[in-house]
Amino acid sequence: DAGITQSPRHKVTETGTPVTLRCHQTENHRYMYWYRQDPGHGLRLIHYSYGVKDTDKGEVSDGYSVSRSKTEDFLLTLESATSSQTSVYFCAISAETGNSPLHFGNGTRLTVT
Amino acid sequence: DAKTTQPPSMDCAEGRAANLPCNHSTISGNEYVYWYRQIHSQGPQYIIHGLKNNETNEMASLIITEDRKSSTLILPHATLRDTAVYYCIVRVSDNTDKLIFGTGTRLQVFP
Repeated sequence: DAGITQSPRHKVTETGTPVTLRCHQTENHRYMYWYRQDPGHGLRLIHYSYGVKDTDKGEVSDGYSVSRSKTEDFLLTLESATSSQTSVYFCAISAETGNSPLHFGNGTRLTVT
Repeated sequence: DAKTTQPPSMDCAEGRAANLPCNHSTISGNEYVYWYRQIHSQGPQYIIHGLKNNETNEMASLIITEDRKSSTLILPHATLRDTAVYYCIVRVSDNTDKLIFGTGTRLQVFP
């Protein structure tokens, strides 16, 4: 498996609380991505990063923010968690564009009560 | 963004070849076709990708038609552990270089 660690693996939190999920890579890859997966929707891109401090929005970015202060870490923050953000979150990394696969972490299961 | 169309489900007998089709009729000339699979709730697993030529690796073969409007993933000798959801994806060719997932094909391998 690619050197990707997501933490925590599971989290239960209450509505309105802030939550930060962490993705750590040991591959020194430039590109990092956050996806969420929900029944009936498949995997949807939240935010991505194409370098340190270079990030952009994906298709479902509302309610989420990200930060990448160093190559190996990509943080996803829910400023004020809502029940609709209950999901499984996957981080992915890629070395370069086009001809280089994305490799995914094992996911974080987040439950917002 | 080029879209993909896959059958929602397929069955395959163990030991037989599994042939999973994908249509991507709006693909652009410099966009790659990627295949991933997801077993239960694990992270998607990369299988194979290609641009124009057929590709083969230790997991599977990828056959891309000459007009690039469709492709087929071949698992030569399916096992029970190949039961999963298989995603065919066209990789967006802009500076974001992101993968847009569809709903995939649920492959059931039976004994």
